[in-house]
Amino acid sequence: NAGVTQTPKFQVLKTGQSMTLQCAQDMNHEYMSWYRQDPGMGLRLIHYSVGAGITDQGEVPNGYNVSRSTTEDFPLRLLSAAPSQTSVYFCASSPYYWDSHNLNTGELFFGEGSRLTVL
Amino acid sequence: SQQGEEDPQALSIQEGENATMNCSYKTSINNLQWYRQNSGRGLVHLILIRSNEREKHSGRLRVTLDTSKKSSSLLITASRAADTASYFCATSGGYQKVTFGTGTKLQVIP
Repeated sequence: NAGVTQTPKFQVLKTGQSMTLQCAQDMNHEYMSWYRQDPGMGLRLIHYSVGAGITDQGEVPNGYNVSRSTTEDFPLRLLSAAPSQTSVYFCASSPYYWDSHNLNTGELFFGEGSRLTVL
Repeated sequence: SQQGEEDPQALSIQEGENATMNCSYKTSINNLQWYRQNSGRGLVHLILIRSNEREKHSGRLRVTLDTSKKSSSLLITASRAADTASYFCATSGGYQKVTFGTGTKLQVIP
């Protein structure tokens, strides 16, 4: 049981290049999400998915694309990298739970992070 | 802007003392969670408190939630050097996005 696996752990890009950060989970979680973490900013939500085939924008979606073709995988694509996208990226997944007829996200399970530098 | 804000931004205490961190948020929630992040690592879940709960305990951790004030607190009792880390609150309004606060950096001095 690997949990949440992110690759690559480190990446250096030049401005304008594109790349995909991979995220896979083996816990059959419906909810998956991507965050970026910058010094002093905490974690900011980029995109999230509530199940295969469904994605939505978070707080800082510009410059990023996602897709969710399977429950297990949730890749994050940088279309044309910019220095402002230099950051540490975290993927997370969560099981849902029911509470008084409401469906809720529960504990988030995080990957170890991907450190991206854009020159 | 981010949903939550932690206070204080940084906290330095002696080993054995208690550490209290606060989280304020803006919109109604279904649950609030606290996470710990050691330097350079991923986040680790500490505790989840539902909107209809007022207090929850887990080992040396005590979390309170006041939905009328849109605030929560995390108390770590009898702190240890190993508790040195950043602590984040995260809120969820349902089955959709989970958003994080800005974090409190805790240093426990041996």
